[in-house]
Amino acid sequence: KQEVTQIPAALSVPEGENLVLNCSFTDSAIYNLQWFRQDPGKGLTSLLLIQSSQREQTSGRLNASLDKSSGRSTLYIAASQPGDSATYLCAVPSGGYQKVTFGTGTKLQVIP
Amino acid sequence: EAGVAQSPRYKIIEKRQSVAFWCNPISGHATLYWYQQILGQGPKLLIQFQNNGVVDDSQLPKDRFSAERLKGVDSTLKIQPAKLEDSAVYLCASSLEAGAGELFFGEGSRLTVL
Repeated sequence: KQEVTQIPAALSVPEGENLVLNCSFTDSAIYNLQWFRQDPGKGLTSLLLIQSSQREQTSGRLNASLDKSSGRSTLYIAASQPGDSATYLCAVPSGGYQKVTFGTGTKLQVIP
Repeated sequence: EAGVAQSPRYKIIEKRQSVAFWCNPISGHATLYWYQQILGQGPKLLIQFQNNGVVDDSQLPKDRFSAERLKGVDSTLKIQPAKLEDSAVYLCASSLEAGAGELFFGEGSRLTVL
C-alpha cells in the first residue's frame, strides 16, 4: 500500500525567502508525481506534473524534483510572496489501477 | 477549456438524511475520481471510474455511499443515510487517462452534517 508523507506539516517564512517542501513515498513504482496548491475553501490547483522518467520540472518560480529510487520529491519555491500562502499537496498514482494517493500537505504562510 | 464542474458547492443536512453530489468532468477525460477531504487532512480516494466502469472503490463505505457514472461522462455520489463523520469536502477530479495523466479538480462540495 502506497503511503505518502509531507514534511513539514506547516511552515512560516518571511517574504522573499526561498523554501523547500518535501514529499516522500513508500512505493517507488509510480507513474508520475503531481504537486498541487489548495487555497482555503477551494479545490486543488495543479502546479507541476513530473513523469516517472523525468528528474525535474519548472514553472516560473517553482521547481519540482523527483528521485524515484529514494522515494522523494521536493518542491522549491523561489522568492516567496504572500500570495504563495496555501496548502501544498503531492500526489502519486501507483499500483494496478494507478490509484492516486495524496500526502497530508504542507501549510505555508508567507509573512509580508 | 471548461474545467471540472461540481454542484452543489455547499450542503447542510441533518444526520440520517440523504444527499447527492454531481460532477461533470472535462470533456474527453476517461477517468473520474471522487475524493473525500476532511478538514486538515489530504484527500482520500472514495471511488475511481474508467469510462463507465469502477476500477477502485475499496475505500467507499458501501453501506451508505454509492456512486455512478452514466454514459462515461457525468457522475453522481450519494450518501444515505448521512452520519456526522461524513462532514467533509467532496472533491471530483478527472484525467485524460489513469496513471500518466494530469489530474484536474473541481471546486468541491462542502457537506455539513448536523
